[in-house]
Amino acid sequence: GAGVSQSPSNKVTEKGKDVELRCDPISGHTALYWYRQSLGQGLEFLIYFQGNSAPDKSGLPSDRFSAERTGGSVSTLTIQRTQQEDSAVYLCASSHREGVNEQFFGPGTRLTVL
Amino acid sequence: GQQLNQSPQSMFIQEGEDVSMNCTSSSIFNTWLWYKQDPGEGPVLLIALYKAGELTSNGRLTAQFGITRKDSFLNISASIPSDVGIYFCACYNQGGKLIFGQGTELSVKP
Repeated sequence: GAGVSQSPSNKVTEKGKDVELRCDPISGHTALYWYRQSLGQGLEFLIYFQGNSAPDKSGLPSDRFSAERTGGSVSTLTIQRTQQEDSAVYLCASSHREGVNEQFFGPGTRLTVL
Repeated sequence: GQQLNQSPQSMFIQEGEDVSMNCTSSSIFNTWLWYKQDPGEGPVLLIALYKAGELTSNGRLTAQFGITRKDSFLNISASIPSDVGIYFCACYNQGGKLIFGQGTELSVKP
């Protein structure tokens, strides 16, 4: 079946603009995660959704970052007033539920803030 | 906070050589995972380790969960060009979230 998909694959924006990144998880997966991967670094947890529960936002680096998950499926990560340090690859993953269930990753969105 | 220290940062090897990389931490973990990330793709799980001392193989890959639960290694035998990529170790932190090492970038010369 289809894996996790993300769009756009690349996004170039100007400093100060808002951006929206989209994630379509694997059908039936109740858990959805967003990570940020800066150049030459490992993945940094941003936010986690599980079913209809309130999201775990503990990894969001600032209040310019927010995310929604509509209908328990598609998720959108929004970055307001982008800064150059926001440039990174943003990865989405989904799993059957939280914990030791394998997380399946999308290909990521490469964000470049000029 | 809990951190994973992965080494080496990068490796340049000849096709056919064996590869070894490892992760260490000052914290104890109950699960060690190894992922591979191809260019332009998300990480893919290679091996999962759930028990201290466990040694698990997946084809040419072998990984071990350290007996102290603070470290793990991944070996790749007889490397081939398609082994190129970035390898990450990962563990679940106290909050149940995955934390990742900094990655080992592997380059294989034919």
